[in-house]
Amino acid sequence: DTAVSQTPKYLVTQMGNDKSIKCEQNLGHDTMYWYKQDSKKFLKIMFSYNNKELIINETVPNRFSPKSPDKAHLNLHINSLELGDSAVYFCASSPQGADTEAFFGQGTRLTVV
Amino acid sequence: AQKITQTQPGMFVQEKEAVTLDCTYDTSDPSYGLFWYKQPSSGEMIFLIYQGSYDQQNATEGRYSLNFQKARKSANLVISASQLGDSAMYFCAIYILTGGGNKLTFGTGTQLKVEL
Repeated sequence: DTAVSQTPKYLVTQMGNDKSIKCEQNLGHDTMYWYKQDSKKFLKIMFSYNNKELIINETVPNRFSPKSPDKAHLNLHINSLELGDSAVYFCASSPQGADTEAFFGQGTRLTVV
Repeated sequence: AQKITQTQPGMFVQEKEAVTLDCTYDTSDPSYGLFWYKQPSSGEMIFLIYQGSYDQQNATEGRYSLNFQKARKSANLVISASQLGDSAMYFCAIYILTGGGNKLTFGTGTQLKVEL
C-alpha cells in the first residue's frame, strides 16, 4: 500500500498550459503539504493544509492553486505554466505535531517547454 | 524564522568508513523536531532519523545516529560503516509548529558519494 501517492510522475507540457497534480494519502494524517524542488535540489515549501484548511502559503504566485476536497487529498493546479515552473513537486503528509516525520510522495517531475 | 544550514555541498567517504554530515539550525522556538532525509538518484525522499528538541539522548536508527548539540544548535548525521547504497543527497530539516499549522524547513543538502 502506497502511503502518499501523487500522479502523474512525469508531466511535460507547453508554456501557457494549465495542469494539475493529484495527491492522496492513506495514513489518516491531518496535515498535507506541497514542496517544490528546483534544479539545484533545494526543497521549498509551497503550501500547508491542516484538515482541508490552508495554513501556509509561502508567497507562491497565484497561478498555483491548491485544493483539498478532504483531508486525504491535496491537489495542485497550475495555470499559465511558465518555463520557471519546471521542477519536481512533492506532496507530503504528517500528523499534527513536531515529533514525527513527514511522509513524501514519489514526486512529479514537471517540465515546461 | 527558522533556518537550516548544511555547509557541505559534497562529501566523499570510503566504503566501510564512518562519515559525518553537518547541520546547524537557527530558531527561537523552544519546541522543534530535527529530521534527516535521504534522496537517492531515483528521487524519492526517505526518512532516516528524528531528534526532538527536548530529547536528552541522541537518536540512533541502525547505522544512523544524530549528534545533537543543543547549545551549539547543531544536529549532525553520522553514518557508520558506509555502504555503496548510501550514495545519495542528504537533507537536514527542522519542524516547528507555527500558528496552529506546521512547516518542515529543509537545508540545501549534502551530496554523499561512497567509494570503493
